[in-house]
Amino acid sequence: SQQGEEDPQALSIQEGENATMNCSYKTSINNLQWYRQNSGRGLVHLILIRSNEREKHSGRLRVTLDTSKKSSSLLITASRAADTASYFCATGQGAQKLVFGQGTRLTINP
Amino acid sequence: DVKVTQSSRYLVKRTGEKVFLECVQDMDHENMFWYRQDPGLGLRLIYFSYDVKMKEKGDIPEGYSVSREKKERFSLILESASTNQTSMYLCASSLRLWGRKVRETQYFGPGTRLLVL
Repeated sequence: SQQGEEDPQALSIQEGENATMNCSYKTSINNLQWYRQNSGRGLVHLILIRSNEREKHSGRLRVTLDTSKKSSSLLITASRAADTASYFCATGQGAQKLVFGQGTRLTINP
Repeated sequence: DVKVTQSSRYLVKRTGEKVFLECVQDMDHENMFWYRQDPGLGLRLIYFSYDVKMKEKGDIPEGYSVSREKKERFSLILESASTNQTSMYLCASSLRLWGRKVRETQYFGPGTRLLVL
């Protein structure tokens, strides 16, 4: 069953602006991951945050995790046209498999 | 780099045909997964495998079966294709977790877009 729910479903911003996407989940997790999918392609892993971490950075990506609210956010700073893609959160519960959300479709306008 | 390949990018089949989707990974991963992706529904897990000859049902196994005879290869089989199986199919692999490790990062293939007429 799908656990993660991304918000918003679609986001359109101007190049150079920051993009924020949110993810909510329902059960206890070991980790939460964010993936990117370019149109018609497979998913690519971006970043993983463990349940005992609150914030993590990787280049222009910043992920936060609030386990009390069962939510996470992905911030992309200084967006570029190449960031146009769908972004998915996925929760890991230590059971070898992940549960993916429905994704946020991000469009960066030049 | 991990490489996951899928046998076809695009496939067109007729209702009732038996369809084989093949997935191969080159990083000696124990776990392999098959998902389908549909607009508005995200990724849904069909089947996964922890090891050779082992398989477990995911969330939507009906109408599908799988085969894992070798560690690097995981096949998805549509016994009798139907139009509602028209979808994007994604294969993924990951290392098997032991002990308290939490890294469950999955590596995806490029996907197979299947159209059933």
